Amino acid sequence: EAQVTQNPRYLITVTGKKLTVTCSQNMNHEYMSWYRQDPGLGLRQIYYSMNVEVTDKGDVPEGYKVSRKEKRNFPLILESPSPNQTSLYFCASSLSVASGRFVDTQYFGPGTRLTVL
Amino acid sequence: AQKVTQAQTEISVVEKEDVTLDCVYETRDTTYYLFWYKQPPSGELVFLIRRNSFDEQNEISGRYSWNFQKSTSSFNFTITASQVVDSAVYFCALSEYSGTYKYIFGTGTRLKVLA
Repeated sequence: EAQVTQNPRYLITVTGKKLTVTCSQNMNHEYMSWYRQDPGLGLRQIYYSMNVEVTDKGDVPEGYKVSRKEKRNFPLILESPSPNQTSLYFCASSLSVASGRFVDTQYFGPGTRLTVL
Repeated sequence: AQKVTQAQTEISVVEKEDVTLDCVYETRDTTYYLFWYKQPPSGELVFLIRRNSFDEQNEISGRYSWNFQKSTSSFNFTITASQVVDSAVYFCALSEYSGTYKYIFGTGTRLKVLA
């Protein structure tokens, strides 16, 4: 089954304790991205990756790191989480950048609800 | 700069009413993609439609229809004869190439369909 998976689905942690949220897709998609969803703010893009070893900042990258060592995986790393990073996080992937210029339809993972105390 | 505005924060309708969700976008490019996604109460994000900026034909899919108007930079979504199962948060999104490959979402509209 074609899908984007995220783990863990729920995580409660404390300020300053490093954590990683994994994301994996089995569709051989080139483009992957991370979003956070907060009430009233919609989905905001944190980082995206065009392909292996190619990543770039979205609109809210502060406090996050990513890596893309393999095409299928795109982990989100919070080196020192803070309470303002409490949010619902989504990973997404897209087959390609259409015509080399645009990001095509994205398919989302089930979400990770993170609480930082 | 890219921007997507969904001015309607929340809409409530009674079942079988028609409802239109508004989406207004800003872009510097003449070529771009627009999308609608649905987020039901279970939380997942479901793709509904993609529209290329060159294609201004309206699209209908069952009870769903989309009205794309470049002149007003709008991409509105209408649900005809709404049902309780349509209750969800709906997001409009924009993809353009402006030197980056960002993908911008609006803040979403929560639709409540009452029985």
